[in-house]
Amino acid sequence: SQKIEQNSEALNIQEGKTATLTCNYTNYSPAYLQWYRQDPGRGPVFLLLIRENEKEKRKERLKVTFDTTLKQSLFHITASQPADSATYLCALRGGSNYKLTFGKGTLLTVNP
Amino acid sequence: DARVTQTPRDKVTEMGQEVTMRCQPILGHNTVFWYRQTMMQGLELLAYFRNRAPLDDSGMPKDRFSAEMPDATLATLKIQPSEPRDSAVYFCASGLGDPSETQYFGPGTRLLVL
Repeated sequence: SQKIEQNSEALNIQEGKTATLTCNYTNYSPAYLQWYRQDPGRGPVFLLLIRENEKEKRKERLKVTFDTTLKQSLFHITASQPADSATYLCALRGGSNYKLTFGKGTLLTVNP
Repeated sequence: DARVTQTPRDKVTEMGQEVTMRCQPILGHNTVFWYRQTMMQGLELLAYFRNRAPLDDSGMPKDRFSAEMPDATLATLKIQPSEPRDSAVYFCASGLGDPSETQYFGPGTRLLVL
């Protein structure tokens, strides 16, 4: 069966360090993968999209990699700040399927 | 600043009661999604509309849940009768395109069924 796993439920890091979050999937051939940020009491907010033929995407302090051989995406936040503390969700869309399937998320806490 | 709006933000009700949640998608968006989020299951897709037509509601318990789009500015999700296991946060999201690559989520309706 199809499965999306985000490496840990929670990650704590020190301000200024790089946060690295992992998203692994099985039994998917995703057309693309997305990362969303969710703050408490709010809906997810889209951050980045990376397509199956792309290896890396950057946006300001964010970087996403996509390895379709390993079936894994890494999400990096460089020079992390306490304001980056949130839950981060990865989501995949299959080739011809409109449906986005979400992982359960990783709660990132950046300590000052 | 275009946003998806949802009402009510919070709802507490007793088992057996009808619950109606409303969503106003971003003007001009042609796709609408309903999701349910719980700690155990995460975000699950309940229903999907494109140009107001329901394309997929396979994620919904058919006997008690129904979703409609009476017009382009309103989507509704109804639970009748509600059960304690329906307690969750329900999100509406809208997008543009087919399939829409980016989904814009509303703030959610937090439902508690006692």
